[in-house]
Formats: sequence, structure tokens, C-alpha cells
Amino acid sequence: EVQLLESGGGLVQPGGSLRLSCAASGFTFSDNAMTWVRQAPGKGLEWVSSISSGAASYYADFVQGRFIISRDNSENTVYLQMNSLSAEDTAVYYCAQRRQWLEYWGQGTLVTVSS
Amino acid sequence: IVLTQSPGTLSLSPGERATLSCRASQSVSKSYLAWYQQKPGQAPRLLIYGASSRATGIPDRFSGSESGTDFTLTISRLEPEDFALYYCQQYGSSPLTFGGGTKVEIK
Repeated sequence: EVQLLESGGGLVQPGGSLRLSCAASGFTFSDNAMTWVRQAPGKGLEWVSSISSGAASYYADFVQGRFIISRDNSENTVYLQMNSLSAEDTAVYYCAQRRQWLEYWGQGTLVTVSS
Repeated sequence: IVLTQSPGTLSLSPGERATLSCRASQSVSKSYLAWYQQKPGQAPRLLIYGASSRATGIPDRFSGSESGTDFTLTISRLEPEDFALYYCQQYGSSPLTFGGGTKVEIK
């Protein structure tokens, strides 16, 4: 059974940083691209970043160099380092398997940026 | 690529047929379009990929089709558990983009 478990969300002040983690199990992690998608409260889905099986990274324009996606195949974990956070980054952040259609999703972790 | 979903809300009764539309602002490469279902407080679930291929475990009452830049998700007979939000997503070109969603609610 595929499982994706996000962690690392929480309350952070504007300008602050957070690192999200997504622990994967139930599939060969190293063979799969992984993706982060976010959903602001009451809003739709928005692609944030993806990383290929070979660790090539891709970002949405709004990231503007503030976020870094990475992976640790020995730990079956994908990370999203988020810096210079603003209120507009407040959202539930989901990790998902693949970077085309998104096969499986985690339950999400809530990031709240507020003073 | 901008995806425009319509209608915003669809009010139907169980047993009825639901037809959801997703229009792309330009051609979607290789029919690279997916549909997701999301219920309140839950993560999205993949229903359809490649415009018409059902994901693992998805009932055959869900089907997808395309005509040019117009994509359709059809639920042949609504079950109580099908009342939810539905999103389309294209992955034919970067960045990945999602439509704004269609809510299927009980009439």
C-alpha cells in the first residue's frame, strides 16, 4: 500500500522558514518523481515544485528562488525547504507521487504564515 | 495553459448523470489531462489520467473524454459518495496547472 506522510508544517512569522518532509512507503521511491502541491484555505490546487527520479528540480514561477526541493532516496523522503515566507504561502501542502498525473497523495501539512 | 472548468456547481440527485467540463486555453500535448476528486478535509484522489484512462480502483461509472481542447468527466450514475469537488489538471507542458474546480452537490 502506497503511503505518503507529510510533516513539518506549522505557524511561522512572515519572512521565516520551514522545511517540509514527506516520507514515502509502498513503492520504489528512487524510481519515482515526486511533487508538492498546495491549497490555500477555501481555494483550489496549485502546483509548487517537482523533483525527478534523477533529482532534477522544477518550480512554479511564484517560488522565485525561495523554495528548494530535494530528496533522500536512502530515507525514502522528499523535502521542501521554504524561505522568505509570506502570508500568501499559507496553505495545506500536499506531496504526491509522480510529476505528471499525480497518482497518490499524502494527507497534507498545514503551513500558516502570520505574525 | 489555463484550464477553465464549468459549471462551478452542479446540483444533481443520486442516480443522475453528471457531466463536468474542462476547457484548455491551448492544445494539451498528448492528451495529458487528469481528473481528481476531493472531499472536504481530504487529499485529492486521482480518477482519470491520459484524458480517458481510469486510475487503479476507480469505478467504471467514471469516464473521461476529449474533443480538441475540451475535456469531459462523466459520472454515469451518481452514488452518494460521488458528491464532492472535482479538478482537472494538465501535465502536457510546464508548469502543471489545475482548473478551478466543479462542485457536485446534492439537489
